[in-house]
Amino acid sequence: DADVTQTPRNRITKTGKRIMLECSQTKGHDRMYWYRQDPGLGLRLIYYSFDVKDINKGEISDGYSVSRQAQAKFSLSLESAIPNQTALYFCATSDLGRESTPGELFFGEGSRLTVL
Amino acid sequence: GDSVTQMEGPVTLSEEAFLTINCTYTATGYPSLFWYVQYPGEGLQLLLKATKADDKGSNKGFEATYRKETTSFHLEKGSVQVSDSAVYFCALTSGSARQLTFGSGTQLTVLP
Repeated sequence: DADVTQTPRNRITKTGKRIMLECSQTKGHDRMYWYRQDPGLGLRLIYYSFDVKDINKGEISDGYSVSRQAQAKFSLSLESAIPNQTALYFCATSDLGRESTPGELFFGEGSRLTVL
Repeated sequence: GDSVTQMEGPVTLSEEAFLTINCTYTATGYPSLFWYVQYPGEGLQLLLKATKADDKGSNKGFEATYRKETTSFHLEKGSVQVSDSAVYFCALTSGSARQLTFGSGTQLTVLP
């Protein structure tokens, strides 16, 4: 089983619908991240969380919200999806400086979202 | 703010060719530098890293040297294989290391 699991892997929805992407991890890491990948733009950070009570906005948080339900779970919500939120979304975890390489992120396999 | 600039792709090479993917950065302080690789249909995974000036990161035949004087971290491989076809991302983390800043990615295709 993957250490970082994202669900759903693929989703097609319509404009205005509420969508939730879920992420769970078995690595025991405190830090979790949501990124968005668009062709030619690389990865852009949406939100990140350093523990259950810590939520921080990233570069492109508008139109998104997150919930850190437990150390192992971090979900991303689109309250009212719009077509320019069509993208590949990645969840990642990190345990900066303790066991692993400082700055090393461990990624899920991605959730492809299409908003029609 | 911090930023990473990668050479634009796509890059297409024949098997056994030499590979260079350029990466330059702008950062305050002393960043750590990374190359991540994304194989088709997968998430990103760390390829190599360097945490201080003149460090050389290496893995799977790939190398990159942290050049503070030129603010660069170019990725090289002497002889690419078809299995190296992927998207390569340069990234940095600096200061409190609260997050990574990624470049735009370079698509590499290696033909047999």
